[in-house]
Amino acid sequence: AQTVTQSQPEMSVQEAETVTLSCTYDTSESDYYLFWYKQPPSRQMILVIRQEAYKQQNATENRFSVNFQKAAKSFSLKISDSQLGDAAMYFCAYRGSEKLVFGKGTKLTVNP
Amino acid sequence: NAGVMQNPRHLVRRRGQEARLRCSPMKGHSHVYWYRQLPEEGLKFMVYLQKENIIDESGMPKERFSAEFPKEGPSILRIQQVVRGDSAAYFCASSATGQGLGGYTFGSGTRLTVV
Repeated sequence: AQTVTQSQPEMSVQEAETVTLSCTYDTSESDYYLFWYKQPPSRQMILVIRQEAYKQQNATENRFSVNFQKAAKSFSLKISDSQLGDAAMYFCAYRGSEKLVFGKGTKLTVNP
Repeated sequence: NAGVMQNPRHLVRRRGQEARLRCSPMKGHSHVYWYRQLPEEGLKFMVYLQKENIIDESGMPKERFSAEFPKEGPSILRIQQVVRGDSAAYFCASSATGQGLGGYTFGSGTRLTVV
């Protein structure tokens, strides 16, 4: 079974600074997708960014980018120019041939 | 084009009562997934359904929990004889395909509190 590990239960960053959230996963599949979801206090699950495993190029969405290291099974999220509205729980997720599997999350605090 | 609609948003039940959680997928989506989120935890898979079929229920507790996705109407997650440990946020998600492309679209969740 696939597993997703987020080793940082909590992180903090100063407004306008950059922060990187870590994620590793375990799988024997070769085709899969990786995602980062944001969950603000409203509890809504918001898709931040996704990466197809067959693509070598790292995905980027405005201030959010990933560092995808397929051989190392690592998928970190970088948030640049952090804003107060970025404060939330961030979940890394994996989807291969079966259902979406989540890590336990990282709580991000943004300090003004 | 409404997203995934879950209701109710909040549900309070006494121990021993039944809880019914509803989920209407996005238009055009025929795959529905239910997840449970305990406090300070990530989302745990419960069940995956297509219209009138349960595809994967490997995350469902063996007793008291059931799910359905009828030909007409929303998907229902039913919890019989609720206990305090069932208190959690229950999320529904939908997708257009059963595998591969894209992530899921999530609803806003139902927060169940058992008193």
